[in-house]
Amino acid sequence: DTGVSQNPRHKITKRGQNVTFRCDPISEHNRLYWYRQTLGQGPEFLTYFQNEAQLEKSRLLSDRFSAERPKGSFSTLEIQRTEQGDSAMYLCASSFWGQGTSMTQYFGPGTRLLVL
Amino acid sequence: DAKTTQPTSMDCAEGRAANLPCNHSTISGNEYVYWYRQIHSQGPQYIIHGLKNNETNEMASLIITEDRKSSTLILPHATLRDTAVYYCIVRSETSGSRLTFGEGTQLTVNP
Repeated sequence: DTGVSQNPRHKITKRGQNVTFRCDPISEHNRLYWYRQTLGQGPEFLTYFQNEAQLEKSRLLSDRFSAERPKGSFSTLEIQRTEQGDSAMYLCASSFWGQGTSMTQYFGPGTRLLVL
Repeated sequence: DAKTTQPTSMDCAEGRAANLPCNHSTISGNEYVYWYRQIHSQGPQYIIHGLKNNETNEMASLIITEDRKSSTLILPHATLRDTAVYYCIVRSETSGSRLTFGEGTQLTVNP
């Protein structure tokens, strides 16, 4: 399967615990995006990387959230001191940025987080 | 990126064409129209995108009006598996960053 993959697919944690999610983009894609989706709403942008550089962060990304893409390939999203309001689906997408390309974003299956 | 307006829900009979409208009256000249869909509990799936001309691929057709203020996504022969939320998104290719999702249209294909 050459699509975007995310692990784990489901995570249940207790309030106050830290969680980390992983995203593996499509191999030749140099841009990687994180979104969050709560029930009944469309996905909301969190942040994106071009290679290893984090180029934009949404105000939704509080200081408890941190994302990395250390080698410009896979990315991790960590949430520290989780709160019940963090319960959501966390989506990763990737695209190729370059002259003459469409930059279409392709999404992974998401990680569903439930904070008890 | 320009804002889009879509109906909240639509129904379609299996085997018939599903025509999903989208208004984007404030679209700029360099902004593309993208369509994604999301089947329950899955990640969004890219369907098609276009700038000015009508586009067709194996999944759907995209018809953009001449003034580019609205578009229609056409699923020519809807199946039960096409039941999903369909999102119309306007995006500049030069920005290259976020997709701004609205609430989309819940399409229900009925047997």
